[in-house]
Amino acid sequence: DAKTTQPTSMDCAEGRAANLPCNHSTISGNEYVYWYRQIHSQGPQYIIHGLKNNETNEMASLIITEDRKSSTLILPHATLRDTAVYYCIVRALGFSGGSNYKLTFGKGTLLTVNP
Amino acid sequence: DGGITQSPKYLFRKEGQNVTLSCEQNLNHDAMYWYRQDPGQGLRLIYYSQIVNDFQKGDIAEGYSVSREKKESFPLTVTSAQKNPTAFYLCASSIDKQGNEQFFGPGTRLTVL
Repeated sequence: DAKTTQPTSMDCAEGRAANLPCNHSTISGNEYVYWYRQIHSQGPQYIIHGLKNNETNEMASLIITEDRKSSTLILPHATLRDTAVYYCIVRALGFSGGSNYKLTFGKGTLLTVNP
Repeated sequence: DGGITQSPKYLFRKEGQNVTLSCEQNLNHDAMYWYRQDPGQGLRLIYYSQIVNDFQKGDIAEGYSVSREKKESFPLTVTSAQKNPTAFYLCASSIDKQGNEQFFGPGTRLTVL
């Protein structure tokens, strides 16, 4: 799986958009970008994933650059409950018999939403 | 509510004792996973199971054992052979066997004294 680089920490004001960047310059053509988050002492929570088109769901939007070397997770209206470590993961979509079943979590970005 | 449950949330054991961590899911997911997380670190895969009665070693399986007798249950035993068992243990499941969109339980924090 390609390596990802994320800032160690970021701050955001409550109610504002939180934009979390991720660099994945060695991403391969068949690799997806996944985002998870982990609130302190809880299990990680799946947020969103995408291949090359921008994606949006009820939690967030994912913007992937045209060359796919970087992406941004956007939380449109951050709340205090969004304070968490956000992980950007790049992996190929798993296939039967392959070894892509695991998620490789790096250190992520600690997003702190301030009142 | 559908989800993954892990119990207990906190567990204390004496060194040299085996301990079994519970993981149950009612999501009807085929695949289940056990990860370990150490302070300030990412997750490392211990074991995974893509189907009932079958499981495979992950990256750090030494000192651990699992069973998958039922689709909804995937217990993890931390044996006395595990050198550094104190950690946060996370169980996950995915609807497909390929590990896409894994859903995690709340975790069990194991402390070995």
